[in-house]
Amino acid sequence: NAGVTQTPKFQVLKTGQSMTLQCAQDMNHNSMYWYRQDPGMGLRLIYYSASEGTTDKGEVPNGYNVSRLNKREFSLRLESAAPSQTSVYFCATPKGQGRAFFGQGTRLTVV
Amino acid sequence: AQSVTQLDSQVPVFEEAPVELRCNYSSSVSVYLFWYVQYPNQGLQLLLKYLSGSTLVKGINGFEAEFNKSQTSFHLRKPSVHISDTAEYFCAVISGGSNYKLTFGKGTLLTVNP
Repeated sequence: NAGVTQTPKFQVLKTGQSMTLQCAQDMNHNSMYWYRQDPGMGLRLIYYSASEGTTDKGEVPNGYNVSRLNKREFSLRLESAAPSQTSVYFCATPKGQGRAFFGQGTRLTVV
Repeated sequence: AQSVTQLDSQVPVFEEAPVELRCNYSSSVSVYLFWYVQYPNQGLQLLLKYLSGSTLVKGINGFEAEFNKSQTSFHLRKPSVHISDTAEYFCAVISGGSNYKLTFGKGTLLTVNP
């Protein structure tokens, strides 16, 4: 099925550990986003990629890095996880300036 | 810079009552506006969008929204809500020249009570 696939769905990390959240889309869209969702804060943009080979900071980039590996894949890396990074992470890809398609989310807990 | 303000964090209503969820945006250029819905423990789904043309747009599940450029608003309405409409609703904007950056409001939790 066409869509956005995120892995893993759940993850528990210890403070200081690193991990990479994976996102892949098979809709041949140019743009991809990473958001975090926290209660009462809505979705805040971490990083986005307007096209293959380009990435830009969003609203809350500190503590994260991204890689746009190719047109399909956009990964988010936490180099040294902190409890403040406990959140639900969503990857999304818009069709031009229209509808954005979202993955099912990754629920990350940092203890 | 673009931004979105959702004026109500929570809206409780009774079943079959009308509802309006308010959204105001800020942008110095042309905008594209969206409403998304998130049911518990799920991702986001598009309810409706305004790209151009008629300012009244209709979406899924009986929702509609009206784009008002002079008031920079894009309020979401439904004439009669159901228990199943209980969810969090997010207003979002893309403005021209933003390189497709999609900005969300903080969300409005709609709770429909029997």
